Amino acid sequence: DVQLLESGGGLVQPGGSLRLSCAGSGFTFSNFPITWVRQAPGKGLEWVSVISGDGHSPYYADSVKGRFTISRDNSKNTVHLQMNSLRAEDSALYYCAKYLQAPVAAFDFWGQGTLVTVSS
Amino acid sequence: EIVMTQSPATLSVSPGERVTLSCKASQSIGKLAWYQQKPGQAPSLLIYGASTRATGIPARFSGSGSGTEFTLTISSLQSEDFAVYYCQQHNNWPWTFGQGTKVEIK
Repeated sequence: DVQLLESGGGLVQPGGSLRLSCAGSGFTFSNFPITWVRQAPGKGLEWVSVISGDGHSPYYADSVKGRFTISRDNSKNTVHLQMNSLRAEDSALYYCAKYLQAPVAAFDFWGQGTLVTVSS
Repeated sequence: EIVMTQSPATLSVSPGERVTLSCKASQSIGKLAWYQQKPGQAPSLLIYGASTRATGIPARFSGSGSGTEFTLTISSLQSEDFAVYYCQQHNNWPWTFGQGTKVEIK
């Protein structure tokens, strides 16, 4: 079975950093782009970032560009999201998800999310 | 960026009814996905490419539309279908979601 498991969330002060991880299993990890989508409490979905299967093509939403960095280690079936200069508006449940297939950017499997809270 | 607008925000319906959800894009797109999200759960993919059902999705869910106007139809609403539904364009960077339509019990 396909599984995605996020970790690394927590409480951080404004201006601080966190590193989220997404571990995948049950599929050929390196064949699929992995994306991050966030959801603030009681709000809708916001796409954050994506990385290609080979790790060479990262893309970011304007709201996080220059502050977040996505990377992947296919030897460990893991994608990371390094989040720096965090702001209150970054507080959300962060989901990782896999593409249905490259380049179809519909997300067919999602993790259960990891909660990030940015507050002093 | 392409802005996705869903309507209505909330829909109150009875089980067995036919439901039609709308999603409009600020510019023409060819690729649209629909997701269902139940409380406390991650979203799940229903439809991609505007009209292709994802694996395991019941036939009562159908997607249609082109250009800037798209529709998700649930032919006969079941109790397990009460949820929030999101559209997402996967045509142009950055990918963007609509604000969601909540389907609640009447």
